[in-house]
Amino acid sequence: DADVTQTPRNRITKTGKRIMLECSQTKGHDRMYWYRQDPGLGLRLIYYSFDVKDINKGEISDGYSVSRQAQAKFSLSLESAIPNQTALYFCATGSGSLNQPQHFGDGTRLSIL
Amino acid sequence: KNEVEQSPQNLTAQEGEFITINCSYSVGISALHWLQQHPGGGIVSLFMLSSGKKKHGRLIATINIQEKHSSLHITASHPRDSAVYICAVLHNYGQNFVFGPGTRLSVLP
Repeated sequence: DADVTQTPRNRITKTGKRIMLECSQTKGHDRMYWYRQDPGLGLRLIYYSFDVKDINKGEISDGYSVSRQAQAKFSLSLESAIPNQTALYFCATGSGSLNQPQHFGDGTRLSIL
Repeated sequence: KNEVEQSPQNLTAQEGEFITINCSYSVGISALHWLQQHPGGGIVSLFMLSSGKKKHGRLIATINIQEKHSSLHITASHPRDSAVYICAVLHNYGQNFVFGPGTRLSVLP
């Protein structure tokens, strides 16, 4: 089983719909992250959480919200999806100090029509 | 100007060639992360560097802090090395990594 699991792996939906992407991890890491990836651009940080009671906005948080339900679970919501949120979304985890490697899920490919 | 730049953007090589991918950044950092993104989309960590050089199998990563530059080398390249290679930096006093746009490598048999 994967250490960082994202669901769904693919999703096609329509403009205006509410969407939730889920991430769960078995690594026991405190830090969790949501990124989006667009063609030609680096991964950009949407939200991050350093523990269950800690939620922080990243570089591109507008139009997104998150919930850290438990140490192992971090979900990303698009309250009213729009076409320019079509992207590949990644969840990642990290442990210990900030200069330790992050561990990524397999990604969710989201298309908004 | 991106904080993290990578070159080349795309690279095609013949099997067996020695490959170099470059990463440059504009501010002081405490760590640099090299990652590999498979054609299917999954991302795995290759190296984390704060100084010097690291080697794992056919992969070698170096960093020059003064020149704000890192290189990833692949010796005896193989088609299975075909992937996007991503550089990410953690700024001094920063909390999160900043990612480069990636270098797409294709190794032909």
